[in-house]
Amino acid sequence: DPKIIQKPKYLVAVTGSEKILICEQYLGHNAMYWYRQSAKKPLEFMFSYSYQKLMDNQTASSRFQPQSSKKNHLDLQITALKPDDSATYFCASSQTGGAGAEQFFGPGTRLTVL
Amino acid sequence: GDQVEQSPSALSLHEGTGSALRCNFTTTMRAVQWFRKNSRGSLINLFYLASGTKENGRLKSAFDSKERYSTLHIRDAQLEDSGTYFCAAGGTNAYKVIFGKGTHLHVLP
Repeated sequence: DPKIIQKPKYLVAVTGSEKILICEQYLGHNAMYWYRQSAKKPLEFMFSYSYQKLMDNQTASSRFQPQSSKKNHLDLQITALKPDDSATYFCASSQTGGAGAEQFFGPGTRLTVL
Repeated sequence: GDQVEQSPSALSLHEGTGSALRCNFTTTMRAVQWFRKNSRGSLINLFYLASGTKENGRLKSAFDSKERYSTLHIRDAQLEDSGTYFCAAGGTNAYKVIFGKGTHLHVLP
């Protein structure tokens, strides 16, 4: 059974629209993260949450808003979508948010913005 | 900022041979992880090290935080080992890991 679920697996959106990427983890972890991988670039850290509190935000744009309704959920709302937002978005989690904690990744959501 | 330099970017090996991947860090990292991206695009955890070495089957990894590097050794390569391997390290910011650009491994018959 998958321990980190991301929905949907694929998503196509039009420029200017809004989408929500879903992430749920069933590992009992207390920290969750979002990363993005654009074409031919390494995975880039976006956000980290620990016990549902934002710990770090490396995303310049306010169009990206994480939402944590439960400890094991960290969704990502993206507004006013642009073609440059096209990427695979990975959710991850770790037992704690402590120094260098081992992170486990979901399968990703591949977003294409037309 | 913290950087992770992964090499080589691509590697071809014949079945049964071996090689090493390497990640160099520009600052002291607290821990390193190695992943393999499978055919579905999922990141599979291979190793997590805060220090020293670990071995799992034909894979072995080492991490030296003082010398700022980590290695992943593959021996007796098999066709199914083909894929993209990434290192990722946690540095001064405890809440994120920084990824290398990946090594595309192609195992040849």
